[in-house]
Amino acid sequence: EDQVTQSPEALRLQEGESSSLNCSYTVSGLRGLFWYRQDPGKGPEFLFTLYSAGEEKEKERLKATLTKKESFLHITAPKPEDSATYLCAVQPLTSGANSKLTFGKGITLSVRP
Amino acid sequence: DAGVIQSPRHEVTEMGQEVTLRCKPISGHNSLFWYRQTMMRGLELLIYFNNNVPIDDSGMPEDRFSAKMPNASFSTLKIQPSEPRDSAVYFCASSALAEQYFGPGTRLTVT
Repeated sequence: EDQVTQSPEALRLQEGESSSLNCSYTVSGLRGLFWYRQDPGKGPEFLFTLYSAGEEKEKERLKATLTKKESFLHITAPKPEDSATYLCAVQPLTSGANSKLTFGKGITLSVRP
Repeated sequence: DAGVIQSPRHEVTEMGQEVTLRCKPISGHNSLFWYRQTMMRGLELLIYFNNNVPIDDSGMPEDRFSAKMPNASFSTLKIQPSEPRDSAVYFCASSALAEQYFGPGTRLTVT
């Protein structure tokens, strides 16, 4: 069974204080690993897809990286507007491209001004 | 460009009543997913469709839950009869490739 574990559950940062969010996964062959951002009262918003170990993707202050067992979401010099819950999900190789994702429980990030 | 549309946004009902949640996927997307989100269990997949055909309903909690997709632009999730433990936020998502795009969700409260 595919499993995704995210840590820590919650993270409080001062504005400008860089940090990383961890996503550990167990899957029988990885088709893709996905990062989403979720704001309170809204649906998850797609951020990145990573497909192979060593791959990196960036968007503004966010950079996602992937190894064979985990993924990191690095946040550089965060701002209060980066406060949200960040969700990680995996899609197994055994399923098709348009198939289900298994999500972690998320990391709630708070950035204080 | 409209995203995934869900209705209603909020639903409060009494135990035993039938509840129907609705979803309109993004035009051109051929896969549709229904998820449920709670504090305890996080985001869980209930069922998904490819080209209007149900592919995996193993996440549907029990026979009280049913989902249909009569055409490419509409899907429903029905709960009959509803129970307090069904209280959660229900999300619909659609995809054309691997990335899924979520709607705003329906917050269901069963009293």
